[in-house]
Amino acid sequence: QKEVEQDPGPLSVPEGAIVSLNCTYSNSAFQYFMWYRQYSRKGPELLMYTYSSGNKEDGRFTAQVDKSSKYISLFIRDSQPSDSATYLCAMRGGGYQKVTFGIGTKLQVIP
Amino acid sequence: SQTIHQWPATLVQPVGSPLSLECTVEGTSNPNLYWYRQAAGRGLQLLFYSVGIGQISSEVPQNLSASRPQDRQFILSSKKLLLSDSGFYLCAWSGGGEQYFGPGTRLTVT
Repeated sequence: QKEVEQDPGPLSVPEGAIVSLNCTYSNSAFQYFMWYRQYSRKGPELLMYTYSSGNKEDGRFTAQVDKSSKYISLFIRDSQPSDSATYLCAMRGGGYQKVTFGIGTKLQVIP
Repeated sequence: SQTIHQWPATLVQPVGSPLSLECTVEGTSNPNLYWYRQAAGRGLQLLFYSVGIGQISSEVPQNLSASRPQDRQFILSSKKLLLSDSGFYLCAWSGGGEQYFGPGTRLTVT
């Protein structure tokens, strides 16, 4: 079993839809959680960073962490064609410097 | 603000040739530095990380090596490239929490 599971998609949604991206993990030592957006042929860009269970909101993006279920989500409201990219979840333990990444979900927002 | 640079952006090299990719970080001191490789459909693979000058940890035994000659400089090298070394190479830095990535180098070994 992989430490982090993420559906690679692709996921296609119409413009304006609410997008839900998810990851599950098996390592209970993970305490810090990140979401990255990666456009084709570019480096990943950090979108959200959180270390506690619950929700964190930034503009149209909301990151949700449920440590009891080992499940994290990223919600995108009012999705735009410019949101079309691959979204990677990432997580690490408290005392470690290494980050474990999901494989990434490819999202396409159709105008 | 912090900035991370990688070069070259694109590289085409023949099998058996040497490799040197460079990464530099500006606007921070004593960062943790990382080299990843991203292959299509396989996600991000951590190759090396460094917590300080001259301190390198290898995650994957292979024909690649890394060095950190200065605090904010991280170099990825190979003496002889293999076809399987093709991929997108990403450098990242961390101040202890989240990681930030550079723009990447796309390497094609022919």
